[in-house]
Amino acid sequence: GAGVSQSPSNKVTEKGKDVELRCDPISGHTALYWYRQSLGQGLEFLIYFQGNSAPDKSGLPSDRFSAERTGGSVSTLTIQRTQQEDSAVYLCASSSTTYNEQFFGPGTRLTVL
Amino acid sequence: AQSVAQPEDQVNVAEGNPLTVKCTYSVSGNPYLFWYVQYPNRGLQFLLKYITGDNLVKGSYGFEAEFNKSQTSFHLKKPSALVSDSALYFCAVRVPTGFQKLVFGTGTRLLVSP
Repeated sequence: GAGVSQSPSNKVTEKGKDVELRCDPISGHTALYWYRQSLGQGLEFLIYFQGNSAPDKSGLPSDRFSAERTGGSVSTLTIQRTQQEDSAVYLCASSSTTYNEQFFGPGTRLTVL
Repeated sequence: AQSVAQPEDQVNVAEGNPLTVKCTYSVSGNPYLFWYVQYPNRGLQFLLKYITGDNLVKGSYGFEAEFNKSQTSFHLKKPSALVSDSALYFCAVRVPTGFQKLVFGTGTRLLVSP
């Protein structure tokens, strides 16, 4: 596909379980971003990957959150020991350079019961 | 630190009337400014951006925005609103160096009535 894809589209989990969210960026895009959008809130930056550089993790809310990007393409956001406050829509975006507009995926809606 | 303010949670406008969605920003240095739109249960779609050059930027779906450096504003406008423009609009800012991430406003819901 031509756009950013994310899976799953919806995830319901129980408190304390680990979850993995996947992002497949636009082919050739070197920059990849994860954001979180809570109900009624704006977008909260989580983490940023640019090429082979060390990721900018400054937005991760706790050490339960981690992300990796394999081969400069697909990225996985992992949330360990999920809490109810982790419930949100997790959005992934990619861009061809860090100075160009970001293209967003449809998001993964995470519900922690 | 950079920040964006969208002072209106919701803007209501009748179809055919002009619309304005307000955005002001605060950055150190020259800003890169963006507008995104989010339709229900969808991701964000890019509308337009200001990097440099003409203060009036034209984007998708007939939208435009005017960069005003003295007022640190980047308001989104459209001459004639459509019901299909009803959505959530986000303004975002970043600086050319340093922070690589976009900082988003809290969003403004636009409701266009028939």
